[in-house]
Amino acid sequence: GQQLNQSPQSMFIQEGEDVSMNCTSSSIFNTWLWYKQEPGEGPVLLIALYKAGELTSNGRLTAQFGITRKDSFLNISASIPSDVGIYFCAGLRGSSNTGKLIFGQGTTLQVKP
Amino acid sequence: KAGVTQTPRYLIKTRGQQVTLSCSPISGHRSVSWYQQTPGQGLQFLFEYFSETQRNKGNFPGRFSGRQFSNSRSEMNVSTLELGDSALYLCASSPSGDTQYFGPGTRLTVL
Repeated sequence: GQQLNQSPQSMFIQEGEDVSMNCTSSSIFNTWLWYKQEPGEGPVLLIALYKAGELTSNGRLTAQFGITRKDSFLNISASIPSDVGIYFCAGLRGSSNTGKLIFGQGTTLQVKP
Repeated sequence: KAGVTQTPRYLIKTRGQQVTLSCSPISGHRSVSWYQQTPGQGLQFLFEYFSETQRNKGNFPGRFSGRQFSNSRSEMNVSTLELGDSALYLCASSPSGDTQYFGPGTRLTVL
């Protein structure tokens, strides 16, 4: 099925480092969402973006809705061990695709204390 | 507000059987979407219901079906189970279908 191109696939970083990940597509999206998933659980919503160029923060997390509407970025500053998990981007296209999120493949983040 | 609940959390079935999964959305949310998550295919959209009507459907065979009740609770049914149906099934609740909040999922194993 259709997926977003999310990179990197995995990251292994030292505690305190900053992290960046992104999602790109050849299609335009109206909404970008970022989720974190831990083993045995469902994805938890981190940040929602609704307008091109929008920059939104949630604590140490900052995400941006790309100006072309074809990409989005997530940054995590000063990583801590509890940031470990799989991060997914998800996009929603036009009104005819209401409710249908398209997901990236995920970025697995590991943090070394 | 209470979050999205899914029952059961774990299920083991054999090939050929059918299964029904349940999802209770966040109070006031009228949209429920269902997704299948597997290591190979990632998160794939199954279908979305809003006010008891299916508004969108993914590329899954007709063995996968769903419905939504007047209280917004939703069920998903898979008939004639195949080994490849083993997956984590997630439902997501939304006020209108955009910003979605996920439940913990139902882990289905088909033997």
